[in-house]
Amino acid sequence: EADIYQTPRYLVIGTGKKITLECSQTMGHDKMYWYQQDPGMELHLIHYSYGVNSTEKGDLSSESTVSRIRTEHFPLTLESARPSHTSQYLCASSEGQGATGELFFGEGSRLTVL
Amino acid sequence: KNEVEQSPQNLTAQEGEFITINCSYSVGISALHWLQQHPGGGIVSLFMLSSGKKKHGRLIATINIQEKHSSLHITASHPRDSAVYICAVLRSNDYKLSFGAGTTVTVRA
Repeated sequence: EADIYQTPRYLVIGTGKKITLECSQTMGHDKMYWYQQDPGMELHLIHYSYGVNSTEKGDLSSESTVSRIRTEHFPLTLESARPSHTSQYLCASSEGQGATGELFFGEGSRLTVL
Repeated sequence: KNEVEQSPQNLTAQEGEFITINCSYSVGISALHWLQQHPGGGIVSLFMLSSGKKKHGRLIATINIQEKHSSLHITASHPRDSAVYICAVLRSNDYKLSFGAGTTVTVRA
């Protein structure tokens, strides 16, 4: 069973609020990822990290920001949420020296911005 | 055009039937993942392939690198196999994943 956790699972907030989606893994993985997925659509990479103090933007432009101060923790923050941010956000991590390690996903955070 | 195309988009089967999901990709890859996503959003990794064939229980995954094609087979399907199955490729040029849109599988008892 994967040891990667996301909170909150569901969040409904008003426009303009600041939110942080938490992602933690206890497997010691260096590589962590944030994906955004709209209903019925494919996942899109919005942020990734290959280790502490390393963060990069993904393929899909996002107004969110991330930080990686500790190996196990990779939070995603939206400074001012808007209805266009309504989506599901999935956190993942992978193991291995190369880029071909098995992927482990969290349960997802479903965000609704009113 | 998406780099990863899956077919069919939706599939309904009777319990016990053999199911095949196809994945074609248009980029160079280092590996290919098959993922399972249940209602509620959680995703589980089923297979990671770079060549040949892998089997786990009733699931079989194959990949043909020359053809840029992979298949996921479910033998003796069961209602608990109902889920969205996602193909994802690890691009060899930048080591980022590209995802297919998923195949929604419904297995009726």
